[in-house]
Order: sequence, then C-alpha cells, then structure tokens
Amino acid sequence: KAGVTQTPRYLIKTRGQQVTLSCSPISGHRSVSWYQQTPGQGLQFLFEYFSETQRNKGNFPGRFSGRQFSNSRSEMNVSTLELGDSALYLCASSLAQGNSNEKLFFGSGTQLSVL
Amino acid sequence: AQKVTQAQTEISVVEKEDVTLDCVYETRDTTYYLFWYKQPPSGELVFLIRRNSFDEQNEISGRYSWNFQKSTSSFNFTITASQVVDSAVYFCALKEDNYGQNFVFGPGTRLSVLP
Repeated sequence: KAGVTQTPRYLIKTRGQQVTLSCSPISGHRSVSWYQQTPGQGLQFLFEYFSETQRNKGNFPGRFSGRQFSNSRSEMNVSTLELGDSALYLCASSLAQGNSNEKLFFGSGTQLSVL
Repeated sequence: AQKVTQAQTEISVVEKEDVTLDCVYETRDTTYYLFWYKQPPSGELVFLIRRNSFDEQNEISGRYSWNFQKSTSSFNFTITASQVVDSAVYFCALKEDNYGQNFVFGPGTRLSVLP
C-alpha cells in the first residue's frame, strides 16, 4: 500500500508569490491534515479536511488555505508569500473511522523556501 | 490550552545504552490521547506508540517502552539497547477527545546514537 505522497519535494519561491502544495493520502483514508514545521515554532497544525470540508483550523492567517477533492487528495495554497513562510509542510492522513485516538500517517513533506 | 513540553533538546548516547525521552503535557480535558512519533532525516514522521488517558498501564513493545503517569502529566519514552538507526528527532504529541485530527506536538528531542 502506497504511503502519503507529497509533491513537490522542494520548492523555491520569492516574496509575494503564491504556491500550491499537493498531498495524496493513503488509499482509503478520508482525513487529510496539514502541518507547518519550522525550527523556531516546531510543528504547528494548519487545518484538516474530511469529506471535502474543512473540519478543523489552526491559528494561521487567511493567506493559508486548502481544499480536498472527492478522491481525498488535498491541496494547500499560500498566497502572498512572506519570508517567514519558509518551512517544511507536512501532510498527514488518517482513516477517520470515528475513533478519537486514530494515528496520523505522514508524508515526507514539501520544503518551501521563500527568498 | 493544550501544551506539550520536551525539556531535552538534544541527547547523545553510545550504541547499546538505554535512553529515556521526557514528555510533560498540559490539558484540561479528562479524556485525551498521547503519542510518540519519530522523524528520521527523510522528513516523514513515523508513529511509534499511543496511549489513552484512561489507561495508565505501562507496556513494553520490543525495544520501546513507555511510562505514563497521569499524576505528574508525564509520558516518557524509553529505547532499550539503542542502535545507530534510532538517531532521529522524537516528538511527543497530545490530542483531544474529538474526531478532528489536530495534534499538539512538543518541540522534539534530537537523539544521536553514536557507534
């Protein structure tokens, strides 16, 4: 069974641009979450999508948005990039069978550098 | 508010030594879930162990064991007979009792196992 796939693996952008990151969850997984990882702030929850709807949202500005498609694949978009958006963006999927203690399965992330 | 603290930023041990990673958490929930994840240099977080707040039984799984103490809000993780392949960043995480997948992660402990 294929794991969580994130593309691209690396991305370099300049300030003011926008970027779209893609995540394909494990087959059968219905929930997709996004996390931002930086040396200073650590791992921070961005948002979660379930059945094409945003179910939870972290404390990030509106420049960060996402969506989920009917096949559970998800995209994350960051508009008007700032230097501080440079980070490893991790996607995670889970079965979402209704158990609160479900574990997350992570992808290898997209390393975004904003110049 | 929920919070996870990992006081050890970096630990170095020599192969075959035992090593314990500390985790202290804060939550007002009476039901919650605790996890340990490992992040090797490849980037993806790998699930290690999970514990429910209502189950304080400590267990051993292969070379891994954990000590969950509700009275001190601690969830420590021990690797017995460490190996070089155990070198990674280890994250402790806390999740509320809901169907969302918004985990709160600690800052991580970088473990280096030297040959």
